Amino acid sequence: TQLLEQSPQFLSIQEGENLTVYCNSSSVFSSLQWYRQEPGEGPVLLVTVVTGGEVKKLKRLTFQFGDARKDSSLHITAAQPGDTGLYLCAGAGGTYKYIFGTGTRLKVLA
Amino acid sequence: NAGVTQTPKFQVLKTGQSMTLQCAQDMNHNSMYWYRQDPGMGLRLIYYSASEGTTDKGEVPNGYNVSRLNKREFSLRLESAAPSQTSVYFCASSNIHSNQPQHFGDGTRLSIL
Repeated sequence: TQLLEQSPQFLSIQEGENLTVYCNSSSVFSSLQWYRQEPGEGPVLLVTVVTGGEVKKLKRLTFQFGDARKDSSLHITAAQPGDTGLYLCAGAGGTYKYIFGTGTRLKVLA
Repeated sequence: NAGVTQTPKFQVLKTGQSMTLQCAQDMNHNSMYWYRQDPGMGLRLIYYSASEGTTDKGEVPNGYNVSRLNKREFSLRLESAAPSQTSVYFCASSNIHSNQPQHFGDGTRLSIL
């Protein structure tokens, strides 16, 4: 069974701080996606990484796919209250489906 | 553009009752999915349909059935609800290749008493 562990599970920081969220597995994934979910809504895709070692930037968010395609990280620079939400990683678990991680709940205090 | 629409948004059932959760997408996607979300466990795949006319089990299919009614609609049925099925249920759709994003509905919050 493929599993994706995210850490930390919860994170509460002050506005302006930096943070990193990790997504780890013992399985190799052909691609990995990061989603953000806000209360009462479904997850929304932030980025997809496909190549081992790939780095993608989305404004203040930097995503990296591990060289062995077993892990990924999300780094947020100068966090803002609008970054508050549940961050989910999801690895391709087959041609048509993804395995989701356990989630990291981020709260950014003004 | 509505995207993925789920009905109902909230439901309370008694143990043993049955119900069907409805999902429809207007993005002409081939693949559709049903997940459940429980605290500390992320999203777990219940069933998916890679294309119209096909359905397959995910990680946690026991106690559920699905129907891919047509390309737009994918329903999830609980035949005899149990308290362990209390959860938030999400429907998603995507194009057939796994690198494509999944588009999610806003969820159905289901409580089984």
